[in-house]
Amino acid sequence: KAGVTQTPRYLIKTRGQQVTLSCSPISGHRSVSWYQQTPGQGLQFLFEYFSETQRNKGNFPGRFSGRQFSNSRSEMNVSTLELGDSALYLCASSLGDEKLFFGSGTQLSVL
Amino acid sequence: AQSVAQPEDQVNVAEGNPLTVKCTYSVSGNPYLFWYVQYPNRGLQFLLKYITGDNLVKGSYGFEAEFNKSQTSFHLKKPSALVSDSALYFCAVRDNSRWSGNTGKLIFGQGTTLQVKP
Repeated sequence: KAGVTQTPRYLIKTRGQQVTLSCSPISGHRSVSWYQQTPGQGLQFLFEYFSETQRNKGNFPGRFSGRQFSNSRSEMNVSTLELGDSALYLCASSLGDEKLFFGSGTQLSVL
Repeated sequence: AQSVAQPEDQVNVAEGNPLTVKCTYSVSGNPYLFWYVQYPNRGLQFLLKYITGDNLVKGSYGFEAEFNKSQTSFHLKKPSALVSDSALYFCAVRDNSRWSGNTGKLIFGQGTTLQVKP
């Protein structure tokens, strides 16, 4: 069974641009969560989607948004990028229990 | 507010020796506790979880964790460390602030780097 796939693996953007990250969950998993990982703040929850509905959101500004498609694939978007958005963005899927399966992440660098 | 603390940034242990990575938590209601491990340039991997039942939880790769309600701790342990155990370890708690829809929302500690030397 394929694991959680995140694309792209690396991304370099400049301030003010926007970016879209993609996540394909494990087949059969309907829950997808997104986390931001930085050296200073650690792992912080962004949002969770289940059956195309956002059912939880972390404390991030409205520039961060996401969505989930009918095939459970998810995307997150960050608009008007800031230097502080540089981070590893991790996607995780689950069957609906607490065991999360993480992808390898997208390393975003904002210059 | 719910939180998790990992008091040690780094733990050093010799191969073959027992290891402990510490974690304390603060939650409302019953705690749902987890340990994850992250290898360089990889995502996190699930090690084990405590939801209810026996205070000693066994997980992947020979790891186990002991839940102590009175000390609000959930320390990760392994009887004999391997060099390949060297990685970044995260303790986490499920956010119980709402009933449903929280399964994907975990609150993570800052992480502890485990260094096992040959």
